[in-house]
Amino acid sequence: DILMTQSPSSLSASVGDRVIITCRASQNIKNYVVWYQQQPGKAPKVLIHAASTLLSGVPSRFSGSGSGTDFTLTINSLQAEDFATYYCQHSYTTPYAFGQGTKLEIK
Amino acid sequence: QVQLQQSGTEVQKPGASVKVSCKAAGDTFTGHNIHWVRQARGQGLEWMGRINPNSGGTTYSQKFQGRVTMTRDSSIGTAYMELNTLTSDDTAVYFCARETFDFRSYFDSWGQGTLVTVSS
Repeated sequence: DILMTQSPSSLSASVGDRVIITCRASQNIKNYVVWYQQQPGKAPKVLIHAASTLLSGVPSRFSGSGSGTDFTLTINSLQAEDFATYYCQHSYTTPYAFGQGTKLEIK
Repeated sequence: QVQLQQSGTEVQKPGASVKVSCKAAGDTFTGHNIHWVRQARGQGLEWMGRINPNSGGTTYSQKFQGRVTMTRDSSIGTAYMELNTLTSDDTAVYFCARETFDFRSYFDSWGQGTLVTVSS
């Protein structure tokens, strides 16, 4: 099975900051990476698929990059509504494993 | 965009089974795999398996193999996930999610989640 190792597990930042979350796959998964945002008590919401393709309606301050085994989610100019938990996931082959999550908190 | 409506909160005893439903509304049910993901309180997301609503074909996580069954009733646009021999470790929120394909796969719609509590 392909494992996804996400870091950091938690992150404190301020409104206006730029943050970077990383995800490493245990083997080459090309660009089969998805990023989700989860607010407390809610279902996850997809932000980015194919490692770098922003879903319609997602603010442009979110961006993704990477291929092979190393991937990043970058959030520029953090807004109050961005404080949430973020997950990477691969869709290369089943099981579609998730990273452990990154909880983004207000400093 | 399809909406997925899940069944309500469940409380079960250890050793019992639970069956959660996921009804698709607003779009065609067939043509998109339905996945099941669970999340224990304060923990991350765990992929359990998927069902192809067209064929009924399933793929399960090895962790749940032999204990989970995913089925569907295409006539009413509903997928089901049944988990047997419950223990307290199965206490979690269970989500269904629709897989869509746009160059690569991702989950574009999620149910609201069903809390399953296993307690004696």
